[in-house]
Parts: sequence; structure tokens; C-alpha cells
Amino acid sequence: QVQLQESGPGLVNPSETLSLTCTVSGGSITNSYWTWVRQPPGKGLESLGYISYSGSANYNPSLKSRVTISMDTSKNQFSLRLSSVTAADTAVYYCARGQQTHIDYWGQGTLVTVSS
Amino acid sequence: DIQMTQSPSSLSASVGDRVTITCRASQSIGNYLSWYQHKPGKAPRTLIYVASSLQSGVPSRFSGSGSGTDFTLTISSLQPEDFATYYCQQSYSHPATFGQGTRLEIK
Repeated sequence: QVQLQESGPGLVNPSETLSLTCTVSGGSITNSYWTWVRQPPGKGLESLGYISYSGSANYNPSLKSRVTISMDTSKNQFSLRLSSVTAADTAVYYCARGQQTHIDYWGQGTLVTVSS
Repeated sequence: DIQMTQSPSSLSASVGDRVTITCRASQSIGNYLSWYQHKPGKAPRTLIYVASSLQSGVPSRFSGSGSGTDFTLTISSLQPEDFATYYCQQSYSHPATFGQGTRLEIK
């Protein structure tokens, strides 16, 4: 059974960089695709991007150049960095495993609040 | 981006009811459509993928159908644990996009 766990600061100052890590157990990140999804308070789900098993990343154009997803195969982890954050980036952030057609495993999610 | 529109946005139903939620894509997405169940404070749960395939461990009262632009999620007999918000998602083209959600409430 694949399990994912997000970790990182729960509070980030405006204009700074949000950094989260997802630790994967029960499976290797050198298989499948790995993605980040967020849910702002009271709103729906938004896909931020994904990284493939080969390390190639694709991002949601709505985030322009602010987002970076990377992976560390030695730790079986992948990470999210979102720069120049504003209050609009306050959300629950989920890491997840994707197949070509769908997400099959989700982390529990972590709330990140952008505030000074 | 492909826009996904769900209807209704909210729905009240009783235990034992048959419920159908609709998802419409702004362009054809073949069968690259998934359904997820989400409860507050919990991780989303994958229910259906490629429009009609049941994710392992999901009860058979959940079913999906459709192709092209119009899709449905049906719950044949609502159980108390099914009251949640449901989202569709297309994975036909990048970025993957979700519907706005359908909140299923107890009548």
C-alpha cells in the first residue's frame, strides 16, 4: 500500500517561498507520476503540476514561473516550491501519486497559511 | 485549459436514494475522466477512473459512465458514509482540471 505524507511549514510570510516535501512509502518514486494539488479555504481542487518517474516536470500555467516540483530518489521524496506567495496561496496542499489517467493515492494534506 | 462543469452544485438526499451527478467538459476528453470523494479534513478518495473503472476497494454502489464531453457518477443506494463533496477531473490534457464540486448533503 502506497502512503504519502506531506511536511513543511504551516505559516509562510507574504512574498516568500512556500516549500513542502512529500515522503512516499510502500512504493518507489521512480515509478509513476507524482503531483501536487491544493484546495484554498471554501474552494475546489486545483492541480499545481506533476513530476514524472524520469524527473521531467510540468506545471499549471496559471502559476506561471512561481512553481517548481523536484524529486530526491535517494530519500523517496518529492517536493514543491512556490515562490512570491500571497494570501491567495493559502490552502491545504496535497501530494498524490498519479497514473496516466488518474490519481490513485493521496496524502492527508497540510494547511499552509500565508500571513505576516 | 479544459473547463469541467458539474451539476448540481449541491444536492440533498436520503439514505437509500439513488443519486446521479453530472460532469461536462468544455471539449472532448475521450474517457480521461475520474471521480473523487472528499470529506472535510480528510484526503480525497479516488472512486472512478477512465470514466467507468472502479478503483480498488470502492463499493460497487458507485458507478461511472460517459465519454466525450458528458459524464455521470451514480450512487445506487446512498449510505451514511457517502455524504461528502464529489469532484470530477479530466486528465486528457495538461493541466488536469477539476470540476467545482458537488456537495451531497443529508435530507
